[in-house]
Amino acid sequence: GEDVEQSLFLSVREGDSSVINCTYTDSSSTYLYWYKQEPGAGLQLLTYIFSNMDMKQDQRLTVLLNKKDKHLSLRIADTQTGDSAIYFCAESLYSSASKIIFGSGTRLSIRP
Amino acid sequence: EPEVTQTPSHQVTQMGQEVILRCVPISNHLYFYWYRQILGQKVEFLVSFYNNEISEKSEIFDDQFSVERPDGSNFTLKIRSTKLEDSAMYFCASSKGAEAFFGQGTRLTVV
Repeated sequence: GEDVEQSLFLSVREGDSSVINCTYTDSSSTYLYWYKQEPGAGLQLLTYIFSNMDMKQDQRLTVLLNKKDKHLSLRIADTQTGDSAIYFCAESLYSSASKIIFGSGTRLSIRP
Repeated sequence: EPEVTQTPSHQVTQMGQEVILRCVPISNHLYFYWYRQILGQKVEFLVSFYNNEISEKSEIFDDQFSVERPDGSNFTLKIRSTKLEDSAMYFCASSKGAEAFFGQGTRLTVV
């Protein structure tokens, strides 16, 4: 079945890199996403990667996809206090109009 | 920057009452969705909508739920007879391709 797994918590020192990991079960996933949710706010699309790509970089964000191991990661360089949030890994199985399956979210906290 | 807007931000309703959650998707988007997030749980897919009909729906989306695009700009989710377990944050989303953009959500509290 469709499932996306993430660790629940990550604590990082300000200025360090954060790496949030995710595994998914369905090898037919077409798109893989990272969403950010700040307290009391909606889901903000951070970035996404097409399944035929290995890596995507966008400013401080780097997404790595290991399709063989069904592993997705999000690296945030130079982590700032404003990066504190819950980060959701998600997959979409078929086409651009398909439903998105979310993981449980990783709560990223930044320590000084 | 265009965004998905949802109203109200918070709705309190009595069990058994009907509620309508409203969404204005991004104007040139073609696909519309509703998701919900029960407190402390995953974001769950409810329904997708395209070309004025439901494309896909989850097991959660039973006969108590309906969606409508009444006027070409709004997209609504109706819950006919609310139950306590319908209490959740409801998110509307829209897309025209791979990128789905979400609204800020409506927190529904059923008492």
